[in-house]
Amino acid sequence: EVQLVESGGGLIQPGGSLRLSCAASGFTFSSYSMNWVRQAPGKGLEWVSYIGNSPTYIYYADSVKGRFTISRDNAKNSLYLLMHSLRDEDTAVYYCAREARWNYQPIDYWGQGTLVTVSS
Amino acid sequence: DIQMTQSPSSLSASVGDRVTITCRASQSISRYLNWYQQKPGKAPKLLIYGASSLQSGVPSRFSGSGSGTDFTLTVSSLQPEDFAAYYCQQSYSSPYSFGQGTKLEIK
Repeated sequence: EVQLVESGGGLIQPGGSLRLSCAASGFTFSSYSMNWVRQAPGKGLEWVSYIGNSPTYIYYADSVKGRFTISRDNAKNSLYLLMHSLRDEDTAVYYCAREARWNYQPIDYWGQGTLVTVSS
Repeated sequence: DIQMTQSPSSLSASVGDRVTITCRASQSISRYLNWYQQKPGKAPKLLIYGASSLQSGVPSRFSGSGSGTDFTLTVSSLQPEDFAAYYCQQSYSSPYSFGQGTKLEIK
């Protein structure tokens, strides 16, 4: 069974830093591209970042570019999101999400999410 | 960047109704359009990928169509469990943007 379990969320002051982790199991993690997607309270989904199965390809939303860094450790079956210079508008549930390997590359599995609250 | 615009933003319907949600891309995305369902407090769930392919395990009352810039998600006969939020997403090019969502409510 595919499982994605996020951790590392919490309350952080504006300007602070936080690292989210996602532990993957039930599939060959090194063969899949991964994403982070977030959802502010009561709002819609916002794609945040993508990393290819080997980290040759990395992409970011403009809203986080230069502040967030996505990475992965295939030996540990883990995905990470390092977030710096956090702002109030970064408050959201952050989902770790697997990209399917078939055509059109949808997101086929999601974690349960971890809440990041940026507030003084 | 590709902008995704969904309509309507909310919709009231009854059990048994046929409903259609539309999604428009700001430029052609071929068939790189996916639909997700999200219930309160839960992670999204993939319904349709490649504009019209039904994800395994998803009831056949859900269907998708379109290509290029205009897409639709149709639920042929609403069931109580279908009342949720629905999002389109383009996987054509980064940033892999989502539509703003459609909240489907019980009338």
